[in-house]
Amino acid sequence: GAGVSQSPSNKVTEKGKDVELRCDPISGHTALYWYRQSLGQGLEFLIYFQGNSAPDKSGLPSDRFSAERTGGSVSTLTIQRTQQEDSAVYLCASSPHKGPDYGYTFGSGTRLTVV
Amino acid sequence: GESVGLHLPTLSVQEGDNSIINCAYSNSASDYFIWYKQESGKGPQFIIDIRSNMDKRQGQRVTVLLNKTVKHLSLQIAATQPGDSAVYFCAENRDKAAGNKLTFGGGTRVLVKP
Repeated sequence: GAGVSQSPSNKVTEKGKDVELRCDPISGHTALYWYRQSLGQGLEFLIYFQGNSAPDKSGLPSDRFSAERTGGSVSTLTIQRTQQEDSAVYLCASSPHKGPDYGYTFGSGTRLTVV
Repeated sequence: GESVGLHLPTLSVQEGDNSIINCAYSNSASDYFIWYKQESGKGPQFIIDIRSNMDKRQGQRVTVLLNKTVKHLSLQIAATQPGDSAVYFCAENRDKAAGNKLTFGGGTRVLVKP
């Protein structure tokens, strides 16, 4: 597609349930990033995929969070046993560059609400 | 994970006036900086970037200034328009050895008054 696509755009889930968030990057982009944005705050890095290299998972806040990127394209962020503090907008971004040059292209995000 | 969340400061500016948004960064080794604009309900959008070997870069109606001595970055918007109302984030590439992720500041909300 023309941009980074994320689904669902909104997700309400009960505390303790698992959720999966999907990201379709721009075709051909080798780098894919997940960030989290809590209400009124900046972006918090979660995980970074670059080509076939091992992902940089240094930003994942707990072992309840995991992410996969299949075939170098679509990525899924999974949050197990969701907690209320997981409520945030989860943003995915992709880039054709190995470095941060020219920035990333972000999707519109998935707004997750844990009740 | 890293978190740079802060209370969101707000800049109110009259339409047609110039806006200046400031950002302080902490890592003197950062060598690349970007300004993003985020409108309500959308993801951040790239505005302009600058490398550490420069101290000024201009785009269309926007100018980024970098002062490495005091680790300060600013974004100037000329003749601010209603469409400029958004949250603006600065981002830095802190540690290439640790990967190519960007670290974002807490953001500044710009409100343009007609």
